[in-house]
Amino acid sequence: DGGITQSPKYLFRKEGQNVTLSCEQNLNHDAMYWYRQDPGQGLRLIYYSQIVNDFQKGDIAEGYSVSREKKESFPLTVTSAQKNPTAFYLCASSWGFAEAFFGQGTRLTVV
Amino acid sequence: EDQVTQSPEALRLQEGESSSLNCSYTVSGLRGLFWYRQDPGKGPEFLFTLYSAGEEKEKERLKATLTKKESFLHITAPKPEDSATYLCAVQARAGGSYIPTFGRGTSLIVHP
Repeated sequence: DGGITQSPKYLFRKEGQNVTLSCEQNLNHDAMYWYRQDPGQGLRLIYYSQIVNDFQKGDIAEGYSVSREKKESFPLTVTSAQKNPTAFYLCASSWGFAEAFFGQGTRLTVV
Repeated sequence: EDQVTQSPEALRLQEGESSSLNCSYTVSGLRGLFWYRQDPGKGPEFLFTLYSAGEEKEKERLKATLTKKESFLHITAPKPEDSATYLCAVQARAGGSYIPTFGRGTSLIVHP
């Protein structure tokens, strides 16, 4: 089955802690994206990557970091510099200008 | 600046009551407009891609249309299982790339 897998589904972060969200795809897509979704805000772009070993900041990159060492993987780290990290995080991938396909999301909560 | 605006923010329908959702966009050189359905706590599910004005796509009770400035998602005789948030996105220019840029969505509730 081709698709995008995000893990974990739920994640809890303590104050001052870094956490990493996993995103893996087996669709052979070149482009991958991370979005943050808050109630009433829609999807806001955090980072994107068009090819391996290259990535670009989106609209709300502060307090986040990514890597793209493999075509299939695009992990997102939420650092302690992100002051309001509680949100629903969505990973997506696409080929060229075609539609993006999404994972099932990770809900991050600060405790 | 490329922008996507969806209206209404929320819509309540009775089962069988047809209606339309709107997505207006301002983008230089449209590379594609996408409609998604999102259920609570889940990732968006792809519905349609439209590339040029006049294009139409259909799937069950849903029909998407595109003009040069906006897209409509028509829902014919909706059922309670059509209740969801519907998202619209366009490929917007970001540096030398095109990135899916989303509107805030329309929350649809269909009452039995």
